[in-house]
Amino acid sequence: DQQVKQNSPSLSVQEGRISILNCDYTNSMFDYFLWYKKYPAEGPTFLISISSIKDKNEDGRFTVFLNKSAKHLSLHIVPSQPGDSAVYFCAASLHRGSTLGRLYFGRGTQLTVWP
Amino acid sequence: DVKVTQSSRYLVKRTGEKVFLECVQDMDHENMFWYRQDPGLGLRLIYFSYDVKMKEKGDIPEGYSVSREKKERFSLILESASTNQTSMYLCASRATGVAYEQYFGPGTRLTVT
Repeated sequence: DQQVKQNSPSLSVQEGRISILNCDYTNSMFDYFLWYKKYPAEGPTFLISISSIKDKNEDGRFTVFLNKSAKHLSLHIVPSQPGDSAVYFCAASLHRGSTLGRLYFGRGTQLTVWP
Repeated sequence: DVKVTQSSRYLVKRTGEKVFLECVQDMDHENMFWYRQDPGLGLRLIYFSYDVKMKEKGDIPEGYSVSREKKERFSLILESASTNQTSMYLCASRATGVAYEQYFGPGTRLTVT
C-alpha cells in the first residue's frame, strides 16, 4: 500500500514561472520528508528536506512546504529553468523502529520546463 | 563527497542465469539499500542492511537475495533471473544518525532476455 503518493505523473511549466510539485502521505508517524531529483540514466540526487517540526524550508530556488494536518507537502521551484526538467520523487522517513532510516518513496512526477 | 558506485551501468542476462549486482560506498555508512525503478512505479525497496551481515526485506524481496560481508559492499543477487526483473537497479547508502538523506549510485540497467 502506497504510503507516499504523488498523484500527478507529469507537470509542464514555462521557463521563469513557478513549478509546484505535490505529495501526500498517509502515515502520521513520518517525521522527516525529502525531495529527490532524477535525470534519465542517473541515480536520484538529494534536493531538499524538511523535518516534521517545521512547516517550511528554503534553499535557493527551492522551497518545501509541509502541512501536517493535511498530510501534504509541496516543492516550489522559482523561477523554473530548463535544467530542472527531471523526475522528482517525494520521500518520507520514520525515526523509530527497526526500519530506522528507511525511506518511503512516491511514484514520482516528471517535470518539463519549456523555454 | 559521498561516492556510491555500482559494478555495471548496463547488463544483459538470459532467463535463468544467476546475476550479481555489486554496490560499494566509500563513506563508512552503516546503512545500505537496494531499489528497483520502473516507469510509473517509482522506487521500490528490495532489501536493506543496517550493519555487516544484517539484512531486512523491503517491499518486493521475492526473487532476490543480498549479501553484506563488508561494511562498504552490498550485493544484490538474482538467483534465477526472469524477464520481469528487467529494470533499473539503484543502490543507496546513508549514515546512521539524524540526517536521513540517502546517497544513490548511478544505477544498473538490467535486461533479462
